[in-house]
Amino acid sequence: EIVLTQSPGTLSLSPGESATLSCRASQSISSSYLAWYQQKPGQAPRLLIYGASSRATGIPHRFSGGGSGTDFTLTISRLEPEDFAVYYCQQYGSSSWTFGQGTKVEIK
Amino acid sequence: QVQLVESGGGVVQPGGSLRLSCAVSGFTFSTYGMHWVRQAPGKGLEWVSFIRYDGSDQYYADSVKGRFTISRDNFKNTLYLQMNSLRPEDTAMYYCVRNWNYGDSWGQGTLVTVSS
Repeated sequence: EIVLTQSPGTLSLSPGESATLSCRASQSISSSYLAWYQQKPGQAPRLLIYGASSRATGIPHRFSGGGSGTDFTLTISRLEPEDFAVYYCQQYGSSSWTFGQGTKVEIK
Repeated sequence: QVQLVESGGGVVQPGGSLRLSCAVSGFTFSTYGMHWVRQAPGKGLEWVSFIRYDGSDQYYADSVKGRFTISRDNFKNTLYLQMNSLRPEDTAMYYCVRNWNYGDSWGQGTLVTVSS
């Protein structure tokens, strides 16, 4: 089973700053099967990025994804107040999903 | 628009059973694989189960294998999760999620609490 490790656990930043979140896989995965989600308190997760770098419908351009193999990143440029949330990476393989443990982006 | 609405959650004693439902609308249900994902209070996301678009194959996390059964009715546009032999560690919000490789639409979830 592929394990996804996200870092850091918590990121303390101010609005207007940029955030870089990391997702490392225990073995190489296809970029096609790496996604990122945002979750706010009391809400269901929302798809941000799929295929490692493609933005989902309606997602602002300040969200971008990249990486390949075992190392993937989610970058949020110029944080807006509504971007403070928990972010999860997810990979698909063998008809199952695994998620990273999440990175919380909090207001400094 | 795409909608997924879960129901059937509640409080159940250890060893008990529950059946969750997810009623969908706004898309052709019979062409999409579907997942159940859960989230224990204050914890991260955990994949539970997947069923192919036509119901031909089902897959489960080791933590629920042999106790949970996923199914679907493509005529009723509804996804199900039959949960038996429930344990306290099954306490979580359960989400139904559309699509086989990444979850492009999520329901709002239904809360399952396993407690005596």
